[in-house]
Amino acid sequence: DVKVTQSSRYLVKRTGEKVFLECVQDMDHENMFWYRQDPGLGLRLIYFSYDVKMKEKGDIPEGYSVSREKKERFSLILESASTNQTSMYLCASSLGTGRAYGYTFGSGTRLTVV
Amino acid sequence: ELKVEQNPLFLSMQEGKNYTIYCNYSTTSDRLYWYRQDPGKSLESLFVLLSNGAVKQEGRLMASLDTKARLSTLHITAAVHDLSATYFCAVDIYNNNDMRFGAGTRLTVKP
Repeated sequence: DVKVTQSSRYLVKRTGEKVFLECVQDMDHENMFWYRQDPGLGLRLIYFSYDVKMKEKGDIPEGYSVSREKKERFSLILESASTNQTSMYLCASSLGTGRAYGYTFGSGTRLTVV
Repeated sequence: ELKVEQNPLFLSMQEGKNYTIYCNYSTTSDRLYWYRQDPGKSLESLFVLLSNGAVKQEGRLMASLDTKARLSTLHITAAVHDLSATYFCAVDIYNNNDMRFGAGTRLTVKP
């Protein structure tokens, strides 16, 4: 069974802390994505990556960075966490570009910044 | 700016009734996806629609795509309680596996 695994289900962090959210997929997918999900706003794309060491900004990259050193791992970094970054974070992956593939999502990390 | 708009955002239905969820989008795309999310769970892929006029059906759910109108519909037939969930549409802009999601429709089916 294919999987996208997010390392933490729930996290509570303090304002100003540096936060790492980890995502690992075992499907050899090229593409990986980070979204945040907020009530009434759906999923908003933060960053995505089509290859190792490659990253692209999504619609709301401010306050975030990412790292993709290995194909299977895509990390989301909150450089200095703020309360408005309290949200559900979803990682997804998909196979390749040029053809239509749906995403496989991880189970999500609910982050609370206090 | 790309917009993906779903309506309604909230839908309460009686079992056995029919209803349609609408997904409008503002840019050219011929790839549209529907996902389901149960409370506390992640998103599960329901349908992939890849061309104008595409229609897919699974059980009591049927999805269609009109790329000229930039509209997709998710039709629910004879709803049952198990269909209670939040449904998202997503548009693959530039056909590049780079999706943008609607806000979601929270469906509640009551006995």
